[in-house]
Amino acid sequence: GAGVSQSPSNKVTEKGKDVELRCDPISGHTALYWYRQSLGQGLEFLIYFQGNSAPDKSGLPSDRFSAERTGGSVSTLTIQRTQQEDSAVYLCASSLDRVSQPQHFGDGTRLSIL
Amino acid sequence: AQRVTQPEKLLSVFKGAPVELKCNYSYSGSPELFWYVQYSRQRLQLLLRHISRESIKGFTADLNKGETSFHLKKPFAQEEDSAMYYCALTGNQFYFGTGTSLTVIP
Repeated sequence: GAGVSQSPSNKVTEKGKDVELRCDPISGHTALYWYRQSLGQGLEFLIYFQGNSAPDKSGLPSDRFSAERTGGSVSTLTIQRTQQEDSAVYLCASSLDRVSQPQHFGDGTRLSIL
Repeated sequence: AQRVTQPEKLLSVFKGAPVELKCNYSYSGSPELFWYVQYSRQRLQLLLRHISRESIKGFTADLNKGETSFHLKKPFAQEEDSAMYYCALTGNQFYFGTGTSLTVIP
């Protein structure tokens, strides 16, 4: 498809386990963004990539969170030693170029930590 | 510091009535502001952005730098406008409000 694709759509795991969330942006989009949406909260910005580089990682909530992007395309958000407060919907978005372009969102990954 | 504030979590209006979804922001410099919308069972998508000064689906939003507001307005609400609306700001990072759920009553 032509849209942003995220996998898995749902993930249930036990506290303490590591999880990997994947995002396939729209082809040709150089900017990629990760957000977290918790119940009753807005979208919390986590990190964005311009190409393979992440100019600002300060939005990541703790050092248990990391993200990478390879080949200027697919990105992986990894959460190590998951905690219950990590339960949320993780949204990925991409844009053509520059931070001011409109962002195109995926359906998200719903992460539940037991 | 909260960058984007949407004071109303829920808003209900009757079909045909005017609707205004409030958004206030806090940011030094020149931010870019957007409204995103999420219809039921659909992805979050861009509705409009202030630099375009356009009307989308009858909605408009004017940036008021003096009041640091970017309220979304529509003169006559339609049932299909029922959705979750997010105000967003782009500066060095990206800030979204907590969203307003709009229900248009037939």
